Amino acid sequence: AQKITQTQPGMFVQEKEAVTLDCTYDTSDPSYGLFWYKQPSSGEMIFLIYQGSYDQQNATEGRYSLNFQKARKSANLVISASQLGDSAMYFCAMRDPASGGYQKVTFGTGTKLQVIP
Amino acid sequence: EAQVTQNPRYLITVTGKKLTVTCSQNMNHEYMSWYRQDPGLGLRQIYYSMNVEVTDKGDVPEGYKVSRKEKRNFPLILESPSPNQTSLYFCASSLSISRQGYGYTFGSGTRLTVV
Repeated sequence: AQKITQTQPGMFVQEKEAVTLDCTYDTSDPSYGLFWYKQPSSGEMIFLIYQGSYDQQNATEGRYSLNFQKARKSANLVISASQLGDSAMYFCAMRDPASGGYQKVTFGTGTKLQVIP
Repeated sequence: EAQVTQNPRYLITVTGKKLTVTCSQNMNHEYMSWYRQDPGLGLRQIYYSMNVEVTDKGDVPEGYKVSRKEKRNFPLILESPSPNQTSLYFCASSLSISRQGYGYTFGSGTRLTVV
């Protein structure tokens, strides 16, 4: 069964608009961590933001925020005021102790975001 | 500069010829891991290491070996590569996966083709 699900293979957003990238997860452990990474067309992987399962507030890092809805098991990435440089592949990932190894980190299949001028 | 260095960046090899992809980090990170990236499948974890001499299997370990003799190095070994191991490989490190907030620093990737 998929531990991390990203249902949007591709999305478009107008420059300066906000966009939400969806991520749902599945775990039976109460202690887990959620991450978002960006992969531009150049191929490197860039860490964006982290949310711990016990964190009371949604994580924010500059224009990135994580809309964490624990009961719904969703951890959506919100990018405000999109820029052309935000065009990239975005991956959601989870550190899930219930997956058989406390240090295992599982990635979703990614969402390709394209920002339109 | 803090970084994870992978070599080589590109490699074409033949089926069955043993190869090693090197990975080195200069940040004194405890945790290191290898992933492969294939279209439509995202990144899949091959092996990870929590510290020197401590390694464990990820989701797709078959056909791969790793070792962690020194904290900074975590080589990936393909003893008998096959065409289904053609992929983009990433090495990643983190100060600690178990502590809050530490994401991965990734290497630049190794594009491997097995013919």
